[in-house]
Amino acid sequence: EVQLVESGGGLVQPGGSLRLSCAASGFTFSTYWMHWVRQAPGKGLVWVSRIHSDGSSTSYADSVKGRFTISRDNAKNTLYLQMNSLRAEDTAVYYCARDLGNYLPRDAFHIWGQGTMVTVSS
Amino acid sequence: QSALTQPASVSGSPGQSITITCTGTSSDVGGYQYVSWYQQHPGKAPKLMIYEVSNRPSGVPDRLSGSKSGNTASLTISGLQAEDEGDYYCSSYTSSSTVIFGGGTKLTVL
Repeated sequence: EVQLVESGGGLVQPGGSLRLSCAASGFTFSTYWMHWVRQAPGKGLVWVSRIHSDGSSTSYADSVKGRFTISRDNAKNTLYLQMNSLRAEDTAVYYCARDLGNYLPRDAFHIWGQGTMVTVSS
Repeated sequence: QSALTQPASVSGSPGQSITITCTGTSSDVGGYQYVSWYQQHPGKAPKLMIYEVSNRPSGVPDRLSGSKSGNTASLTISGLQAEDEGDYYCSSYTSSSTVIFGGGTKLTVL
């Protein structure tokens, strides 16, 4: 079964850091671009970041650029999101998502995890 | 960059057809074929319904169709069913090599 399972969410103070993980199974992880998408409580979806299948290229939304870092370990079939200098407005459910395309991104999010909640509050 | 513009809500009776629009600019929707649509039920992860403007992933019924004209993309659902109820989001690749979502549309099946 194709599956993505996020972990690492929780409560963190403003200015703090958190690292999210996304464990992939049931497909050849190393051949797909991967993404992080977030959703604040009661709000819409917001794209956060994208990473090349081999980790060589990354892109970020302006709202997180310079604070968040996406990475992956293809040997462990795991995607990461390191979040630093967290702000209240970063409070959201964070989803990892697999791109529809192999090797080339199509920016269509075909497989989604269940999400992990990040709350930034003092 | 602001979100793509979608109507806040649409509704229809079973069997009817509805259309949800998604308006952007020439730097996103109008400039690329990478427009997707997602359905989301409360408390659940989104589900990809349409990709690259008009393509359906395996398992998505052909009652759903997508199109694009200029800077506006559209999702049409014909033969509306109760299971179609939920929130719908469009997304598009942008000229900044990022992805932008619409604000979401709540579909109610009356």
